[in-house]
Amino acid sequence: VQLVESGGGLVQPGGSLRLSCAASGFTFSSFWMHWVRQAPGKGLVWVSRINSDGSSTSYEDSVRGRFTISRDNAKNTLYLQMNSLRDEDTAVYYCYREGSWGQGTLVTVSS
Amino acid sequence: EIVLTQSPGTLSLSPGERATLSCRASQSVSSSFLAWYQQKPGQAPRLFIYGASSRATGIPDRFSGSGSGTDFTLTISRLEPEDFAVYYCQHYGSSPLTFGGGTKVEIK
Repeated sequence: VQLVESGGGLVQPGGSLRLSCAASGFTFSSFWMHWVRQAPGKGLVWVSRINSDGSSTSYEDSVRGRFTISRDNAKNTLYLQMNSLRDEDTAVYYCYREGSWGQGTLVTVSS
Repeated sequence: EIVLTQSPGTLSLSPGERATLSCRASQSVSSSFLAWYQQKPGQAPRLFIYGASSRATGIPDRFSGSGSGTDFTLTISRLEPEDFAVYYCQHYGSSPLTFGGGTKVEIK
């Protein structure tokens, strides 16, 4: 199992970023996928999940309405579109499948 | 939503000592969906225990998980230098995923 995130970076408050997670080594279309984040020096916090065919999604309260999770099973890729970013969204964002994690991508929201 | 509370927050021990980490759930959870992860600075979490008591691939047998219902334990029988890290418990049986706040095992 390999999960490789990309798309992080520095963005101003109110800005947008789109994270990607390229999956390999397993049948991507069979698994629910999640995004989990970790603010600097803090613990792990679940952000969002999507079911295997993309028909159902769920979000943590603080990101609902601002973030959108999606997937492309043909490309074995998970996405997280992040809009209206806030300082408190600064974190390492991990792509997660049961038991497996990517290396994370750092999102920094700062003016 | 299931809330997981880990204790202690920090455990100060010497190499060779036994470490006992606790994870308490706010309501009964299925043991099938309780995991423990180790995280070192700058690294992603690594799965150590799943199903409350099954060791993940490559995890040494000095690590053991136990518990049921609302109380779960990760035990490290004899601490090795590479075991000093932060450990998180996780419930993954339903959405949302939930994590404990972590226990830092530090060198005394």
